[in-house]
Amino acid sequence: QKEVEQNSGPLSVPEGAIASLNCTYSDRGSQSFFWYRQYSGKSPELIMFIYSNGDKEDGRFTAQLNKASQYVSLLIRDSQPSDSATYLCAVIGRGDMRFGAGTRLTVKP
Amino acid sequence: GAVVSQHPSWVICKSGTSVKIECRSLDFQATTMFWYRQFPKQSLMLMATSNEGSKATYEQGVEKDKFLINHASLTLSTLTVTSAHPEDSSFYICSASPAGGQETQYFGPGTRLLVL
Repeated sequence: QKEVEQNSGPLSVPEGAIASLNCTYSDRGSQSFFWYRQYSGKSPELIMFIYSNGDKEDGRFTAQLNKASQYVSLLIRDSQPSDSATYLCAVIGRGDMRFGAGTRLTVKP
Repeated sequence: GAVVSQHPSWVICKSGTSVKIECRSLDFQATTMFWYRQFPKQSLMLMATSNEGSKATYEQGVEKDKFLINHASLTLSTLTVTSAHPEDSSFYICSASPAGGQETQYFGPGTRLLVL
């Protein structure tokens, strides 16, 4: 079982819709969870981090964490074509940060 | 804040030569820096973790004699690809963490290497 798993996609949503990106992790002791966005040909950039169960909102982005289910998600409201990118889930457990393979999101005008 | 730079941004070299890539944290001290490699349309692959003043820890399958890492100061780590071959052509990305491996990583812009 991979440490961090994401649906590779591609996930396609129409402009203005809500995009939902999901991630599961295997280390039950994980404490810190991150979402990065990576545009094609560029390096990842941090969008959000979350440490506690529940929701954390930042603008159009909401991170949701459920430690009991070992599940973290990212919701993007009012999706824009500029949101089209690969979204990487990252988890810090007992070791260093581990990344999922990423989910490719396409927002169609 | 939390800006990480890399130099060069791209490099083309002949097979058999060595290439050095620098990674700098510009506005914070990075106790730990990470080196990743990413092939087209594939996910990030961690190559090694370096802590200032100590030897780097390499991931399984990464040749430490081929990919030399030096983390000489709290703001600078270098990756040297020795005797580069065409299969080493890739996108090399560093990241830095201000508090060891247990905190947010901030990524550099990446270095695209093409070995002819």
